[in-house]
Amino acid sequence: AQSVTQLGSHVSVSEGALVLLRCNYSSSVPPYLFWYVQYPNQGLQLLLKYTSAATLVKGINGFEAEFKKSETSFHLTKPSAHMSDAAEYFCAVSKTSYDKVIFGPGTSLSVIP
Amino acid sequence: DVKVTQSSRYLVKRTGEKVFLECVQDMDHENMFWYRQDPGLGLRLIYFSYDVKMKEKGDIPEGYSVSREKKERFSLILESASTNQTSMYLCATTRTNTGELFFGEGSRLTVL
Repeated sequence: AQSVTQLGSHVSVSEGALVLLRCNYSSSVPPYLFWYVQYPNQGLQLLLKYTSAATLVKGINGFEAEFKKSETSFHLTKPSAHMSDAAEYFCAVSKTSYDKVIFGPGTSLSVIP
Repeated sequence: DVKVTQSSRYLVKRTGEKVFLECVQDMDHENMFWYRQDPGLGLRLIYFSYDVKMKEKGDIPEGYSVSREKKERFSLILESASTNQTSMYLCATTRTNTGELFFGEGSRLTVL
């Protein structure tokens, strides 16, 4: 069965500092991988997705993630944190574009002025 | 843009009551999903549907049922609400061939 782990339920960074949110997955086949963001009192929205094309994926709001098959990882990064990046971030995986999506437990990002 | 609308943002119900959560999407997507979100557990899939009148159990279907009479509407039903069903419920739909989920804003249910 597929699963997703996110190291660190809560991450704090200073404004302007690097953001690194970790995601590892288990999958028996090359997966579809996603990062979603949830702002307070809102639903989730897609940040970026990997679908077996380029291993470095660029998303919205300056975020990017790198697929590393040997490490079964899909970590999310942003060079410089903004206050508006404070939110909950979820990593997710599915076998195909039609399969159900499995979510990780989420990482809450705080940005300190 | 895809719009996914959940009928109620906040509900308070009593134990044993029947609860309906409704979700409507306006983009003619085939696939619709109900998740519940709890702190530290992420999103867990309750039920999903690939077409009208079709439904599939997700990972935690116990205590829930669903209805999909029309393509654009997917309802989640709690036949007899219990306190352990207090949670945030999220409806989602997928764009064909990409797997990208589009979410509603969520319905926060409190069962007393």
